[in-house]
Amino acid sequence: GAVVSQHPSWVICKSGTSVKIECRSLDFQATTMFWYRQFPKQSLMLMATSNEGSKATYEQGVEKDKFLINHASLTLSTLTVTSAHPEDSSFYICSAVDRGQETQYFGPGTRLLVL
Amino acid sequence: GENVEQHPSTLSVQEGDSAVIKCTYSDSASNYFPWYKQELGKRPQLIIDIRSNVGEKKDQRIAVTLNKTAKHFSLHITETQPEDSAVYFCAAISGTYKYIFGTGTRLKVLA
Repeated sequence: GAVVSQHPSWVICKSGTSVKIECRSLDFQATTMFWYRQFPKQSLMLMATSNEGSKATYEQGVEKDKFLINHASLTLSTLTVTSAHPEDSSFYICSAVDRGQETQYFGPGTRLLVL
Repeated sequence: GENVEQHPSTLSVQEGDSAVIKCTYSDSASNYFPWYKQELGKRPQLIIDIRSNVGEKKDQRIAVTLNKTAKHFSLHITETQPEDSAVYFCAAISGTYKYIFGTGTRLKVLA
């Protein structure tokens, strides 16, 4: 149980384009999902907390107009990187929390390369 | 803001030896402490967790200890094997479900 999927696993795009990443909880309902960014050899940096049916809460320094988050259902959250630039290249990982639990289960991550 | 310090950043041990990774948290309200193992290019995987009403928890070769007074918690891996080589992250829950992660420990088990 507690499986989280993420799609796509890899994306290469041109500078200025937008990229959408999906995060799904496959066998449980996730009222809360999280989006992280991870640079090589570094820890996970929380970008935002996504709550089903409400606006996401962004961490300090994360531009909400650049990283659009939608949590339209209890099993799906999406992160859209708008007008991507090379400095947005990174490993993006989502996690989900089962209703009433505390443990975060992570998706496999999406590696974004902006040329 | 709240933070979690993790030491050491790198750790090399001989196969069969024990490995210990230590974390210190600042939020006195934290009551849940998970440990994750992340292999290169893969997702973090939960390996063990502990709640603040417990001082120690063990699962086969892995154990976690918690000292609430000192705000310390540690991961202990005994009889290490090459497949234990990975990056390990500690975390402390802060608020509702949100985690504060440590900076990670790169463990290398030498055969």
